[in-house]
Amino acid sequence: EAGVAQSPRYKIIEKRQSVAFWCNPISGHATLYWYQQILGQGPKLLIQFQNNGVVDDSQLPKDRFSAERLKGVDSTLKIQPAKLEDSAVYLCASRRDRDLSPYEQYFGPGTRLTVT
Amino acid sequence: QKEVEQNSGPLSVPEGAIASLNCTYSDRGSQSFFWYRQYSGKSPELIMFIYSNGDKEDGRFTAQLNKASQYVSLLIRDSQPSDSATYLCAVTYGNNRLAFGKGNQVVVIP
Repeated sequence: EAGVAQSPRYKIIEKRQSVAFWCNPISGHATLYWYQQILGQGPKLLIQFQNNGVVDDSQLPKDRFSAERLKGVDSTLKIQPAKLEDSAVYLCASRRDRDLSPYEQYFGPGTRLTVT
Repeated sequence: QKEVEQNSGPLSVPEGAIASLNCTYSDRGSQSFFWYRQYSGKSPELIMFIYSNGDKEDGRFTAQLNKASQYVSLLIRDSQPSDSATYLCAVTYGNNRLAFGKGNQVVVIP
């Protein structure tokens, strides 16, 4: 079984530029998450999708961040415009189903974003 | 954001010793608890999960859960250099969302 795929792996942009990240979850996984992990901290949930619907985006800075999962499979996360404090690793994770065991999430390799 | 506390600083243990990691959480309604291992520059990898009070053993790893005290721990027996990593405690809340602690770094000294 293929794991969670993410691209690009690394991205360097200047502040005020825009950037987009892509995620393809494990096949058949209905639930998809985007996390932000700043160096030295644990991952922080940005948004949770169940199929193509948003379950929780309470911690997504909606003035600059957006995310979509139009066909209930892969997803994109966009930042526009980027700020210096957005420098972090953006992790995508997936789970088979939000409400059914097993509850564990599986993470992709992440995209390391550096904003200069 | 629910609170998950991992307050210990970096933990150095000699090879073959037991490493003990602790985690407390704020949401009394949390039902599922996880330990993830994260090597430097890599993504988190699930190593243990526990849903019920008590101990759960898997190989050299033992997770302990005490819901009354809102406390979960991880023991790593016979620590190996390959166990050197950051260990993240994660707790579910709400719609099975995960809240993570900031992690504890473990260094196993050969």
